[in-house]
Amino acid sequence: ETGVTQSPTHLIKTRGQQVTLRCSSQSGHNTVSWYQQALGQGPQFIFQYYREEENGRGNFPPRFSGLQFPNYSSELNVNALELDDSALYLCASSFRPRGNTGELFFGEGSRLTVL
Amino acid sequence: GENVEQHPSTLSVQEGDSAVIKCTYSDSASNYFPWYKQELGKGPQLIIDIRSNVGEKKDQRIAVTLNKTAKHFSLHITETQPEDSAVYFCAARAFGNEKLTFGTGTRLTIIP
Repeated sequence: ETGVTQSPTHLIKTRGQQVTLRCSSQSGHNTVSWYQQALGQGPQFIFQYYREEENGRGNFPPRFSGLQFPNYSSELNVNALELDDSALYLCASSFRPRGNTGELFFGEGSRLTVL
Repeated sequence: GENVEQHPSTLSVQEGDSAVIKCTYSDSASNYFPWYKQELGKGPQLIIDIRSNVGEKKDQRIAVTLNKTAKHFSLHITETQPEDSAVYFCAARAFGNEKLTFGTGTRLTIIP
């Protein structure tokens, strides 16, 4: 059973650029959530994808967008990067039958630095 | 929305002693409370969780207690070992809500 994998692990961008982060969910999982973790803070919920649609969103502007593919993998896109977007971006997968989302299993994260 | 407070922010204990981390939550609809361990440079790892229909859950040296009336839950680690050193996060989620709200973390250091 493979765990959650994310790429790239580290990247550096300049303000105003765009970035795409990728995530492969754990085998058997059908739901992907994205979290932003600033240095020294707890993860903050960005959004979740289920059945290729956004299913719940946190307090993040529209320049944060995502996709989920038929194989349940996912992308997080951030446009018009700002300095405050520098953070560890975590992908978490889970299995959602009917009703509530199950346990979340996180990947190692993609560390984004915006200069 | 949900707010989760976590204390202490740092904790140092002698190897072999017990460590306790406490969290409070604000949303009475929250019914799922996981704990995550995050080592340097890694993603959070689920170590134990508890649902609101249970008051206590134990897994070897780790236990979690939940007081729904007071809206607080705690992580207990007994017989601590150097490999327990990490940052620990509590979290809460309400049924039907996809968002997991995290506390601010506790940096646990085990002193050999």
